[in-house]
Amino acid sequence: EAQVTQNPRYLITVTGKKLTVTCSQNMNHEYMSWYRQDPGLGLRQIYYSMNVEVTDKGDVPEGYKVSRKEKRNFPLILESPSPNQTSLYFCASSFVGAEPSAKNIQYFGAGTRLSVL
Amino acid sequence: AQSVTQPDIHITVSEGASLELRCNYSYGATPYLFWYVQSPGQGLQLLLKYFSGDTLVQGIKGFEAEFKRSQSSFNLRKPSVHWSDAAEYFCAVGGRAAGNKLTFGGGTRVLVKP
Repeated sequence: EAQVTQNPRYLITVTGKKLTVTCSQNMNHEYMSWYRQDPGLGLRQIYYSMNVEVTDKGDVPEGYKVSRKEKRNFPLILESPSPNQTSLYFCASSFVGAEPSAKNIQYFGAGTRLSVL
Repeated sequence: AQSVTQPDIHITVSEGASLELRCNYSYGATPYLFWYVQSPGQGLQLLLKYFSGDTLVQGIKGFEAEFKRSQSSFNLRKPSVHWSDAAEYFCAVGGRAAGNKLTFGGGTRVLVKP
């Protein structure tokens, strides 16, 4: 079954304690992206990756890091979490290709709800 | 820069009544438009998409949307709402020039009264 898997689904942590949220997809997608969802703001892109070892900032990258060492995995790293990073996080993936219909359909994980105290 | 506005934060509708969710977008070229639904505690599921051609698009779960270029709108409709349609709905815009980037609206939460 085609899917994007995020772990953990729920996480409570304290300010300053480094954490990693994992994301894995089994569709051989080149493109992967992280979003955060906040009430009234919709989903905002944090970072994205067009392929292995190729990452770039999205609209709200401050306080986050990512890496793309393998095609299927795209972990999100919070080196020193702060309360304003309390949010619902989504990972997504899609193809990168000439056909716009394929590359614009993004598949989403189930989300990770993070609380930073 | 691309942007999406969903003017209604909350909508309450009675079961069996019709539903229309508004979406206005800003994009400098031909847009690709999407509606996603997020049920409580779930991820985002694609309801429907528009790339080109017929401006009335059919999706899953009985939803449809109409692309109106002159109004920069892509409103979502359902003729008869079921209790299971209670969820949050997101409109998104992308396009050839945007690469893989999707920009989302703020979402509309739909409550269904029995």
